[in-house]
This record gives sequence, C-alpha cells and structure tokens, in this order.
Amino acid sequence: NAGVTQTPKFRILKIGQSMTLQCTQDMNHNYMYWYRQDPGMGLKLIYYSVGAGITDKGEVPNGYNVSRSTTEDFPLRLELAAPSQTSVYFCASSYPPPRPPYEQYFGPGTRLTVT
Amino acid sequence: QKEVEQNSGPLSVPEGAIASLNCTYSDRGSQSFFWYRQYSGKSPELIMSIYSNGDKEDGRFTAQLNKASQYVSLLIRDSQPSDSATYLCAVIGSSNTGKLIFGQGTTLQVKP
Repeated sequence: NAGVTQTPKFRILKIGQSMTLQCTQDMNHNYMYWYRQDPGMGLKLIYYSVGAGITDKGEVPNGYNVSRSTTEDFPLRLELAAPSQTSVYFCASSYPPPRPPYEQYFGPGTRLTVT
Repeated sequence: QKEVEQNSGPLSVPEGAIASLNCTYSDRGSQSFFWYRQYSGKSPELIMSIYSNGDKEDGRFTAQLNKASQYVSLLIRDSQPSDSATYLCAVIGSSNTGKLIFGQGTTLQVKP
C-alpha cells in the first residue's frame, strides 16, 4: 500500500517557468489537500478538494491552480513561477467524516526552488 | 493573534524525562485537534488526534484538551533521543470543512 505519493522529489525552476506537481493516493480518500511549508514555519493550505470535480481555495492560492478529475489524483499547477514560491510542497489526503474525521496523511513532499 | 500558536522552542529535555508541548487556538468553536511529528527534511506524521475534553493516551504519548481555556497539549513520557523532532499542532476550525490550521511547530531536543 503506497499511501500518498508525490513527484518529483526535487525541482529547480527559472522565474517565469511553469510546472505541475503530481500527487496520487491509493487509499480511496475523498478529501485531498495541497500545503506549502516555508523554512521554520508551519504548513499553509493552498487548495483542497472534497471529491472528483470539486476544488476550493485555501489560505494561499495565488499563483497556483488545481484540478481533480479522479479520486486518486490531485495535481498542483504553478504558472509563471516566482522566487516567493520556493518552498516544500506537501500533498495530503483524508476520509471525510464520520470516519476518523479529517485525519490527514501526508506524502513525502516536493522541494521546489525558483531562481 | 495567530489562529494556532506554539512556542517555537527549542525545548530541551534529558533522556527519560517528560516533554510537555503546548498549543493555544483562537477559534472557540474548533472541533478537532491533532499533533503531528516532523523529522528534519521529512513529511508530517500524525501521532495523536483528540476531539473531546480530557486526556487521551497512546503509549508514551498523552494528548490533553481543554476547550474552555482553548489549549491542547502533548506529553511525551520517557523521552528518547529518537523523539527529537518538530511537533506541529493542528486544528479544524468551527467551519468544520476539514481544513487544518497549523501552528508553526515546537522543536524538541532530547539529550542523551
């Protein structure tokens, strides 16, 4: 059972380039999330999804886009990369209530540097 | 006021001691509370969840919740060097949408 997987593990982008961070879970979780974590800080929610075809903004959505065409996949798209997007990106998933409500399980992360 | 606040530390305890980590939150209607452990360069790992007032024990870990005072704490008994990590407190707010709000984390150092 792989859990939550993310690719790539590391990436360096030039300012203005675009890329897609991939996230896949095999636990049949309805809810999926994207977070970013800056050095020495907690995690901030970028976008989340409660099921295929349904997404919503989190705390820091500017500069990012998401889609959710299947239960398993939740890719995060960066358009026109900026140095402020240098961070570690984590994908997570969870069951909806009433199953252990909102206990989120995280992927290994993608470390992104924009120069 | 931040929504979820933790002392960033570092908190240093000797091996075998009890480590006490604290977290306060601002949304009085918050429903669910979580402690995650994060080793350097790794992803957060869920170690405790608590939903009602009181204590919840799991092995060497005890989570304590006091909704009236709006704080949640994590006690680690018989601390081991392998417990050295950053501990993140996370809260689901009163909107109950599943969106976790994280504190900035407390770094724990357990010295042999």
